[in-house]
Amino acid sequence: GQSLEQPSEVTAVEGAIVQINCTYQTSGFYGLSWYQQHDGGAPTFLSYNGLDGLEETGRFSSFLSRSDSYGYLLLQELQMKDSASYFCAVSWGFKTIFGAGTRLFVKA
Amino acid sequence: DADVTQTPRNRITKTGKRIMLECSQTKGHDRMYWYRQDPGLGLQLIYYSFDVKDINKGEISDGYSVSRQAQAKFSLSLESAIPNQTALYFCATSDQTSGNQGEQFFGPGTRLTVL
Repeated sequence: GQSLEQPSEVTAVEGAIVQINCTYQTSGFYGLSWYQQHDGGAPTFLSYNGLDGLEETGRFSSFLSRSDSYGYLLLQELQMKDSASYFCAVSWGFKTIFGAGTRLFVKA
Repeated sequence: DADVTQTPRNRITKTGKRIMLECSQTKGHDRMYWYRQDPGLGLQLIYYSFDVKDINKGEISDGYSVSRQAQAKFSLSLESAIPNQTALYFCATSDQTSGNQGEQFFGPGTRLTVL
């Protein structure tokens, strides 16, 4: 079947760098996306990798390796407001499957 | 004004009742989606629609039905609600460009409790 796996929780210190990994068992998808969701809020789009390699958007970067069935989200210069859940997702344009999410705790 | 709105934001109902959740968007997108989110789980796709005449089942469509009344409106119905349908429900939209780049725009969510 189709599945994505992420760590359930990650804790990091303010100002540090953290990497959230996503491994998947699916194929033929267009690309890998990342979403952020604060408690009580809606998911918001962060980044997308249609091709293998690294995509950078400000403090956030995302990476995809189709040959390794693996991707990650890298958050730099962590801020307290980055405490949230982060979801990876694979999409086929018409359909998207989400991972269970990684809860990021940023400590002062 | 929000681009994607959902009503109601919170709803408590009883087992066996019919419930309708509504979603409206002003983004002009042709694609609309309904997701369910349970604690500790990701978003599960219930139904999606590419235009008014196109409705497709997602991963967990049993017990749910949808109606695409117009390009801007997509409603989700629970014909006979049961307690395990207690969850947070999100509506989302995309167009071909954003959808093909993995980006969907989510509404604020509806928290549904079935007693």
